[in-house]
Amino acid sequence: QKEVEQDPGPLSVPEGAIVSLNCTYSNSAFQYFMWYRQYSRKGPELLMYTYSSGNKEDGRFTAQVDKSSKYISLFIRDSQPSDSATYLCAMSGGNYGGSQGNLIFGKGTKLSVKP
Amino acid sequence: NAGVTQTPKFQVLKTGQSMTLQCAQDMNHEYMSWYRQDPGMGLRLIHYSVGAGITDQGEVPNGYNVSRSTTEDFPLRLLSAAPSQTSVYFCAIGRTRLDEQYFGPGTRLTVT
Repeated sequence: QKEVEQDPGPLSVPEGAIVSLNCTYSNSAFQYFMWYRQYSRKGPELLMYTYSSGNKEDGRFTAQVDKSSKYISLFIRDSQPSDSATYLCAMSGGNYGGSQGNLIFGKGTKLSVKP
Repeated sequence: NAGVTQTPKFQVLKTGQSMTLQCAQDMNHEYMSWYRQDPGMGLRLIHYSVGAGITDQGEVPNGYNVSRSTTEDFPLRLLSAAPSQTSVYFCAIGRTRLDEQYFGPGTRLTVT
């Protein structure tokens, strides 16, 4: 089992829809969770950063972490065509999570929001 | 991609050639790293550095060398290019490995 699993999609939704993106993980030591957005032929950019469990909201974006289920989610409300991109989850256990504490990325989910 | 520059943007190499991918930052961040991104494989860590003079291997270090003589620069060297090294390479920086990572615009490398 890979440490971080993410459905690659592609996911296509109409403009205005609520989008749900998810990752599962196997390492219970992970406690730093991030979501990155990557537009085509660009570098990833950080969207959300969460430490441990709980919810975090920033505008139309909400990140949720459920450590008991080893499951994280990113919700996008009122999706826009400009949200069309690949979304990458990333996580780390710091000094206790293996991988020398470096981030481990999911493979990314490609999202397309149709006008 | 503010604060992180990568050169060149594109490169074509023949098998066996060597080259250096450049990464420079102006944010004075201690942590710098190199990733490669391949279709269906996601981002995989090649090498990283937690400060000047300190480097370590990531998940896929074979065929690559790094050095960090200054805080600003973290070059990635391909010693003898192979077609399997065809990829998009990203440099990333952060205050620490756990903080927000700022990615450069990437270098698209093709090895024939």
